[in-house]
Amino acid sequence: SQQGEEDPQALSIQEGENATMNCSYKTSINNLQWYRQNSGRGLVHLILIRSNEREKHSGRLRVTLDTSKKSSSLLITASRAADTASYFCATDYHRDDKIIFGKGTRLHILP
Amino acid sequence: DAGITQSPRYKITETGRQVTLMCHQTWSHSYMFWYRQDLGHGLRLIYYSAAADITDKGEVPDGYVVSRSKTENFPLTLESATRSQTSVYFCASSPGTEGDTQYFGPGTRLTVL
Repeated sequence: SQQGEEDPQALSIQEGENATMNCSYKTSINNLQWYRQNSGRGLVHLILIRSNEREKHSGRLRVTLDTSKKSSSLLITASRAADTASYFCATDYHRDDKIIFGKGTRLHILP
Repeated sequence: DAGITQSPRYKITETGRQVTLMCHQTWSHSYMFWYRQDLGHGLRLIYYSAAADITDKGEVPDGYVVSRSKTENFPLTLESATRSQTSVYFCASSPGTEGDTQYFGPGTRLTVL
């Protein structure tokens, strides 16, 4: 099925460092979203970027979108222990009511 | 304001039994969704609903039934549970149209023995 693919699958970094996760998708989209999932919990929406936007910021989060490469990146600056979670990109497709989630990147922040 | 809730949070059942997972949202969102989450597969859409009395299949609908007689409720029924349906099930809702932000419930962990 069509979906975004996150890269890497898992990432461990030291607290205070920046974390970068990437998402690639297959066909044209209206928008792309990033979600976070803490262990044992539901997903929480982080940020949405539309196809006509190239970059978006929210607090320590920075999302970029390159529609020519069909890819997006999520940057978390100055990481904290509380950022330990799985991060998912989700893409919608034109003429469709639903979004498709990738398999996620597991981020572990080391103390 | 409870938002979106799921019940039960944990359920153990046996192969062949019927199981219903409940989802309730207090926002009057138009859209509601059911996903299952399994290791190695991420989240996969089972069914979704654009409004009361309107439902549609997702990626993995086989073995599941949904209904939506009221906007706020979207129950998911496993008619005859199988071990392959052991999973964590998430319900989500969304206020608007294509690609809008989804708000997730806390999940139901279902084990089929």
